[in-house]
Amino acid sequence: DAGVIQSPRHEVTEMGQEVTLRCKPISGHDYLFWYRQTMMRGLELLIYFNNNVPIDDSGMPEDRFSAKMPNASFSTLKIQPSEPRDSAVYFCASSFGFVGTGELFFGEGSRLTVL
Amino acid sequence: AQSVTQLGSHVSVSEGALVLLRCNYSSSVPPYLFWYVQYPNQGLQLLLKYTTGATLVKGINGFEAEFKKSETSFHLTKPSAHMSDAAEYFCAVSVRNKLVFGAGTILRVKS
Repeated sequence: DAGVIQSPRHEVTEMGQEVTLRCKPISGHDYLFWYRQTMMRGLELLIYFNNNVPIDDSGMPEDRFSAKMPNASFSTLKIQPSEPRDSAVYFCASSFGFVGTGELFFGEGSRLTVL
Repeated sequence: AQSVTQLGSHVSVSEGALVLLRCNYSSSVPPYLFWYVQYPNQGLQLLLKYTTGATLVKGINGFEAEFKKSETSFHLTKPSAHMSDAAEYFCAVSVRNKLVFGAGTILRVKS
């Protein structure tokens, strides 16, 4: 069974450009999470969805960041305009049921570099 | 607020030696605790978890962890390190249906 699939794996862009990261969760999973990983701040939860509905976006850094989940098999994280401080690895993860007792399945990440 | 603190950002052990990675939690309610591992250029994967029941939890690859309420700890151990254990390890606590991760501990295994 395929795991969580993220694209692109690597993205290099210039400051001010729009960046779109994509995620396909594991089929049947009803929760989807976006995390950001940096050396300075570690792993930060940005937003999570349940049954395609955003539940908690308190971790989204600012209005330049937006996330959507138009259906159960696809989600996007968009940064517009991008800034150098957005450089990080962005992970998508999915789970089935209550994550408190379950397991998060992570994708391999999208490494973003903003010049 | 519920959180976890990992003691030591880097741990180095010799192959065959005991692995001990430390995690302390802060929680006002019985916590659900997890250990995840991240190999280079990969996502995280679950090693083990504690929810309820037995306080000694066994995970994959020979790792185990013990929930000690009196010490608010959930340390990860493995009796004998293998070169393939070299990775970054994250302790995490469940907070309102989301996982909050510690800062991570990089494990180096020397031959």
